Amino acid sequence: GENVEQHPSTLSVQEGDSAVIKCTYSDSASNYFPWYKQELGKRPQLIIDIRSNVGEKKDQRIAVTLNKTAKHFSLHITETQPEDSAVYFCAALSGGSYIPTFGRGTSLIVHP
Amino acid sequence: EADIYQTPRYLVIGTGKKITLECSQTMGHDKMYWYQQDPGMELHLIHYSYGVNSTEKGDLSSESTVSRIRTEHFPLTLESARPSHTSQYLCASTSGKGTQYFGPGTRLLVL
Repeated sequence: GENVEQHPSTLSVQEGDSAVIKCTYSDSASNYFPWYKQELGKRPQLIIDIRSNVGEKKDQRIAVTLNKTAKHFSLHITETQPEDSAVYFCAALSGGSYIPTFGRGTSLIVHP
Repeated sequence: EADIYQTPRYLVIGTGKKITLECSQTMGHDKMYWYQQDPGMELHLIHYSYGVNSTEKGDLSSESTVSRIRTEHFPLTLESARPSHTSQYLCASTSGKGTQYFGPGTRLLVL
C-alpha cells in the first residue's frame, strides 16, 4: 500500500519568512495530492491540491510542487502570517481509490 | 449551505456505556469516512463507506461499528466505551476528485 512521509513534524518561523513542508510517497500510481490545514480546535480543510499531470500550482501565498520522478511534493507558504499557524497534512491518492493516505502532519508556528 | 454535521460535539461518558456518534452530510457525496484523531495529531481511518449498504474497516481497529442505510447518514457506534476510546472523531465525505470534506468533530471523553 501507499506510504506517505511528511517532514518536518514542527516548523517555527518568523512572520514574513517562507515555510516549506515536504512529503514523499511510495506508490507510483498515486496521482492526486491534496494539502489540508487544521487550525486549533477546527476541522481539516483543503487549501490546495495538485494532480500528477502538473508540476506546480499556486494560489496567492501558497504553492505546491510535485516531482513524480522522485515521488515527492512540497507545500510552500510565502510571507507567512500568524494566521498561518496550524497543523498541515499532506495526502496521496492513487487513481480509482478514494482512500487517502495522510502524512503525520506538520505543526507550523508563525511568530509575530 | 452544503456541509457535514456531527452530533454531539462533546461527550463525557462512563466506561461500558454504548454510544452512537451521528454524522450527516448535505454534500450529495456517496463516499463517507470516520477518522480518529487526537487533537493536532495523525488522522487514523477507522471506517469508510462507498455508498448505501457498503461499510469497510480502516487501518485502525477501534472496536466500533458503522451503518449506512441512507446516503446522507453514517453513524458510528461504540458498544462498550473504554478510556482508550477517548479521542476526537471526525466524519468526512469525498467529492468525485478525491477531496475530503470534514465535519467539525466529536470530542469524546470516557471516564
